[in-house]
Amino acid sequence: QSALTQPRSVSGSPGQSVTISCTGTSSDVGGYNYVSWYQQHPGKAPKLMIYDVSKRPSGVPDRFSGSKSGNTASLTISGLQAEDEADYYCCSYAGSYFWVFGGGTKLTVL
Amino acid sequence: QVQLVESGGGLVKPGGSLRLSCAASGFTFSDYYMSWIRQAPGKGLEWVSYISSSGSTIYYADSVKGRFTISRDNAKNSLYLQMNSLRAEDTAVYYCARLLGSKFDYWGQGTLVTVSS
Repeated sequence: QSALTQPRSVSGSPGQSVTISCTGTSSDVGGYNYVSWYQQHPGKAPKLMIYDVSKRPSGVPDRFSGSKSGNTASLTISGLQAEDEADYYCCSYAGSYFWVFGGGTKLTVL
Repeated sequence: QVQLVESGGGLVKPGGSLRLSCAASGFTFSDYYMSWIRQAPGKGLEWVSYISSSGSTIYYADSVKGRFTISRDNAKNSLYLQMNSLRAEDTAVYYCARLLGSKFDYWGQGTLVTVSS
């Protein structure tokens, strides 16, 4: 049950796009199309942004998109806005009712 | 609207016990699987435990297996986490989260558990 690997930080200017990677193994990310992404602002609870690799819950802007290739999933945020500055966590189902999270990525909007 | 409100956190000595509660409202609690997820100070998220809608199926992360017990009372719309033999490394904000399919679609605001002498 090792944590998924995410970059510690990424940054971008308003209007630009950034991509956050999430690397696991064939037992989690690579084995299931059940990757989700969560946004967490300081002192707040996580919020679901992407589920089942690339689906967006209602109310999440279409600037947020997800994809997966092999054992690596990615979250792309286009048209960066100041309010996107937050921590982002990936999560993957790992079989047998177990879930594993990534270590988190701090997004800074310059 | 969906609401999850955790309570029961606090300061406890190593080896001690604590029981967390999560009060659910705004949805049919008995229809949903639930989980506890924790976040150590300044650290990432860690899945802790899962319970099926009826409570008949339960799983734990290796880090808490044998020490923590998840349960639910569907009549009271409540989820619980009994934590025994607490260690310093259990210090974290504990969130309850609703599970829909494979995703945690709603989270509570969290309750802080501090294990320290």
